[in-house]
Amino acid sequence: AQRVTQPEKLLSVFKGAPVELKCNYSYSGSPELFWYVQYSRQRLQLLLRHISRESIKGFTADLNKGETSFHLKKPFAQEEDSAMYYCALTGGSYIPTFGRGTSLIVHP
Amino acid sequence: EAGVAQSPRYKIIEKRQSVAFWCNPISGHATLYWYQQILGQGPKLLIQFQNNGVVDDSQLPKDRFSAERLKGVDSTLKIQPAKLEDSAVYLCASSFAGSRSYEQYFGPGTRLTVT
Repeated sequence: AQRVTQPEKLLSVFKGAPVELKCNYSYSGSPELFWYVQYSRQRLQLLLRHISRESIKGFTADLNKGETSFHLKKPFAQEEDSAMYYCALTGGSYIPTFGRGTSLIVHP
Repeated sequence: EAGVAQSPRYKIIEKRQSVAFWCNPISGHATLYWYQQILGQGPKLLIQFQNNGVVDDSQLPKDRFSAERLKGVDSTLKIQPAKLEDSAVYLCASSFAGSRSYEQYFGPGTRLTVT
């Protein structure tokens, strides 16, 4: 069975501080990993996926197969980063699993 | 391009009543997902279609929930009869088929309240 764990329900930081949203997964094969974001009153949307290896809005995420983690990082948080962040995994069966989400609040 | 459309946006029903939700995916997206998102939790996959075939429905409570995707485009999700614990946001999403790395595009969701 595949599982995604986001240990923090809430992460509160000040503007300009570094941010790390944790995501750990359980999957026996080679997973496809994603971060989705939901801003206030907007739809859930893709932020980034590990296969792209790109930085979006200053966020990066590295797949660490040894630690089975895919943490989302940003060196300097901005107020507009405040949102719900969901880590998701798609396994070999093409079935997606989402974590419970972390609410990021960036204070001015 | 037009996004994933869902209706209704809100629905309030009494327990034991029935309800149906509709989803229109992005044109050309063969894969369609229905999720249940209970307050404070992440989206939980209920059923996944590829064209009009079911890929997975292992988490669909089949005694009360049903879904169909006739002609491989629009889809409906039905609950009959509803229970209090069905109160949640029901999300529809769609994606291209053929790769696990394809992005899912989400609709606005339907917020269901069962009283």
